[in-house]
Amino acid sequence: DTGVSQNPRHKITKRGQNVTFRCDPISEHNRLYWYRQTLGQGPEFLTYFQNEAQLEKSRLLSDRFSAERPKGSFSTLEIQRTEQGDSAMYLCASSLARGQGANVLTFGAGSRLTVL
Amino acid sequence: DQQVKQNSPSLSVQEGRISILNCDYTNSMFDYFLWYKKYPAEGPTFLISISSIKDKNEDGRFTVFLNKSAKHLSLHIVPSQPGDSAVYFCAASAYNNNDMRFGAGTRLTVKP
Repeated sequence: DTGVSQNPRHKITKRGQNVTFRCDPISEHNRLYWYRQTLGQGPEFLTYFQNEAQLEKSRLLSDRFSAERPKGSFSTLEIQRTEQGDSAMYLCASSLARGQGANVLTFGAGSRLTVL
Repeated sequence: DQQVKQNSPSLSVQEGRISILNCDYTNSMFDYFLWYKKYPAEGPTFLISISSIKDKNEDGRFTVFLNKSAKHLSLHIVPSQPGDSAVYFCAASAYNNNDMRFGAGTRLTVKP
């Protein structure tokens, strides 16, 4: 198992364009999370899935953001009509659904978005 | 709202000495606390955790202390090594709540 994989690692886009990030979690993890991290801050929760069901969304997740996990495996995070304020590191994490492992998130290396 | 706070953005210690990283929280519903370590160009990696039923958890050179009445936890690293130089994030969650909250991080530098 190669851990949590995210791509692309870095995306530079012009304001108004759409971008999509992909996350491949650890295969036996049913939970998948998206976080956003800006400079000098810790990760901020955006949304999480248990299998294919999106169970929670933060108020940080505006209408321009949509996340999917169609088959309960990989997930995509799409940002439409990007704004400069969307520039951040987007982190994906996964965990088990039960037991002690449910509290421990394994993070990917992140996808850095720069909106010009 | 900053429910988890790490008030020291940076800390520098000499190799072999103790590093103490601090974290305060405001939400009394938090019952599970974690420390993550982050190297540049990598995602945060889990280091150590503690549940609210304990006040101390030790794993090798790393010990986490929890003071529930003060809503404060700390991470002790002893002895500190240059390879410990990284950003350390404190995180907290409430039972059955998947919105794990993170502090802003403390950058630890261990000098040889």
